[in-house]
Amino acid sequence: DTAVSQTPKYLVTQMGNDKSIKCEQNLGHDTMYWYKQDSKKFLKIMFSYNNKELIINETVPNRFSPKSPDKAHLNLHINSLELGDSAVYFCASNGQGIGGYTFGSGTRLTVV
Amino acid sequence: KQEVTQIPAALSVPEGENLVLNCSFTDSAIYNLQWFRQDPGKGLTSLLLIQSSQREQTSGRLNASLDKSSGRSTLYIAASQPGDSATYLCAAQGGSEKLVFGKGTKLTVNP
Repeated sequence: DTAVSQTPKYLVTQMGNDKSIKCEQNLGHDTMYWYKQDSKKFLKIMFSYNNKELIINETVPNRFSPKSPDKAHLNLHINSLELGDSAVYFCASNGQGIGGYTFGSGTRLTVV
Repeated sequence: KQEVTQIPAALSVPEGENLVLNCSFTDSAIYNLQWFRQDPGKGLTSLLLIQSSQREQTSGRLNASLDKSSGRSTLYIAASQPGDSATYLCAAQGGSEKLVFGKGTKLTVNP
């Protein structure tokens, strides 16, 4: 029943590893996003995809690569993880401005 | 570049009090403004969405207003309860469909 679901909920990994976070929405929305919430709890957009096409890339390091196999899925792959990547990553979707944004429950990434 | 500011950063009130949370944004060309609630360690729950053509929205004890010309929105919480304790986030959506967040107001309602 969950509208926007993310997996995993928690991810602990060592520096230098590569990891992926998956996101799926069943709302029929065309646009999906990745947001990062830092240690100070500030939420900032990273990427936006509209119907599988990248439309926003907010100067995120190229170690971060989003992938959208279809408009219901937006995955985030992170290469060569660094300590500073530790944060909570939220996936969201939006139906072209109608109905607002729906967020997933977040993935807490800890790099040790 | 859109910037969203929320005042105050933190607020502590006794149970039963009516309160107002403030949000301001620098670019008035927004599609809509959305208020969220975030509990510690949890995700974001949408509370109210105000379209750019609307002036306010209400849901239960919550009322949100929008004044685009002055770049302000307020969230009014009536008869606050301890269960209302959370961080409240204001976010403005512009033409790029990008949602820009404020840093939030951490609300504590004391029994």
